[in-house]
Amino acid sequence: GQQLNQSPQSMFIQEGEDVSMNCTSSSIFNTWLWYKQEPGEGPVLLIALYKAGELTSNGRLTAQFGITRKDSFLNISASIPSDVGIYFCAGQGRGSTLGRLYFGRGTQLTVWP
Amino acid sequence: DTGVSQDPRHKITKRGQNVTFRCDPISEHNRLYWYRQTLGQGPEFLTYFQNEAQLEKSRLLSDRFSAERPKGSFSTLEIQRTEQGDSAMYLCASSLAGGSGLYEQYFGPGTRLTVT
Repeated sequence: GQQLNQSPQSMFIQEGEDVSMNCTSSSIFNTWLWYKQEPGEGPVLLIALYKAGELTSNGRLTAQFGITRKDSFLNISASIPSDVGIYFCAGQGRGSTLGRLYFGRGTQLTVWP
Repeated sequence: DTGVSQDPRHKITKRGQNVTFRCDPISEHNRLYWYRQTLGQGPEFLTYFQNEAQLEKSRLLSDRFSAERPKGSFSTLEIQRTEQGDSAMYLCASSLAGGSGLYEQYFGPGTRLTVT
């Protein structure tokens, strides 16, 4: 299957700090998505990206679709305690794999007040 | 609440028993997906439907697993002769079947399966 490498694996930051995380793939993706998951719940869609180079914001979150189509980045500005959770990148390929998403292993974010 | 719903939220079963999970997608979504997630991992694709048709199955979906979506609305995922390795969170997601919404999958809260 297609491998997604997500880094860092975990982050411990102070409230108010900015956060950056990224995701790289061995294959080209047509779509990149970022999700947040809290304990015992399903992933919640944060941002979807459709074009190489695209930069999209959702409140304090900003994500970019890499030019090579093999990577994506998520930034969170001015973090707050409710940002705590696991952030997953997900990519969608083409052809026969059009329906499925490939997920990274997640970045665990902890925010200290 | 018009999001994806799953039932039950938790299931504990003994090895060898059969279990069935249900997923109700967002009402206007005609694509429905099943994923499995184990601790420390991202969700892994199992299968998906467009309306009643099952369009793709992962190699993870062994012959003990079967999914149905008989009327193109809710779906069921059955696991026969459960094994301890089946313990995981089973996630359902739905999306539209066209336009940019095709790629935006919305997840339910999941069913946590524990096989003892």
